[in-house]
Amino acid sequence: DVKVTQSSRYLVKRTGEKVFLECVQDMDHENMFWYRQDPGLGLRLIYFSYDVKMKEKGDIPEGYSVSREKKERFSLILESASTNQTSMYLCASSLLDPGDEQYFGPGTRLTVT
Amino acid sequence: GENVEQHPSTLSVQEGDSAVIKCTYSDSASNYFPWYKQELGKRPQLIIDIRSNVGEKKDQRIAVTLNKTAKHFSLHITETQPEDSAVYFCAASSPTTDSWGKLQFGAGTQVVVTP
Repeated sequence: DVKVTQSSRYLVKRTGEKVFLECVQDMDHENMFWYRQDPGLGLRLIYFSYDVKMKEKGDIPEGYSVSREKKERFSLILESASTNQTSMYLCASSLLDPGDEQYFGPGTRLTVT
Repeated sequence: GENVEQHPSTLSVQEGDSAVIKCTYSDSASNYFPWYKQELGKRPQLIIDIRSNVGEKKDQRIAVTLNKTAKHFSLHITETQPEDSAVYFCAASSPTTDSWGKLQFGAGTQVVVTP
């Protein structure tokens, strides 16, 4: 059974803080993804990675960076948190081939005050 | 890049009736179309998918149809039950720019099944 875990379910940070969100998967998946979920906007891709130390920008990368030092772990970094980054953040992982199911983590509800 | 539009944004149905959600996509090279279901407070989970070489796929009460010419695909839920209440997301994957399994998601449809 695939398990994707995220470091926090709820997080409250102040404007300007550096924020780290971590995601770990235990199925040896090559692909890992970070999405942002906002009402009426669906799931928007921030960054994804298809291999260790590899990363690709998604649709909304501004204000975010990522790190993948190990295959099972993918971190999302908010360099200087802003109130418009208040959102639900979802991590996902999948095998490399297009058409493989993405398995999602439980999400982190981030509030920036 | 790929753009996916999903309609309606909300759908209220009586238990036992059918529900239909429609999505259109822009990239004619897209070849994989999954549907994810997200129950309240839970993570999205794949419920059914279809590839471009197939026109229809069924799994018990759910089915997906694909019209490549018109570039749209639909999710059909028959005999709806209260546990079908959730947000449903369609998605598309194009091998031209998204070779790494990247999906473009629609905005989601909130389905409410009333007893």
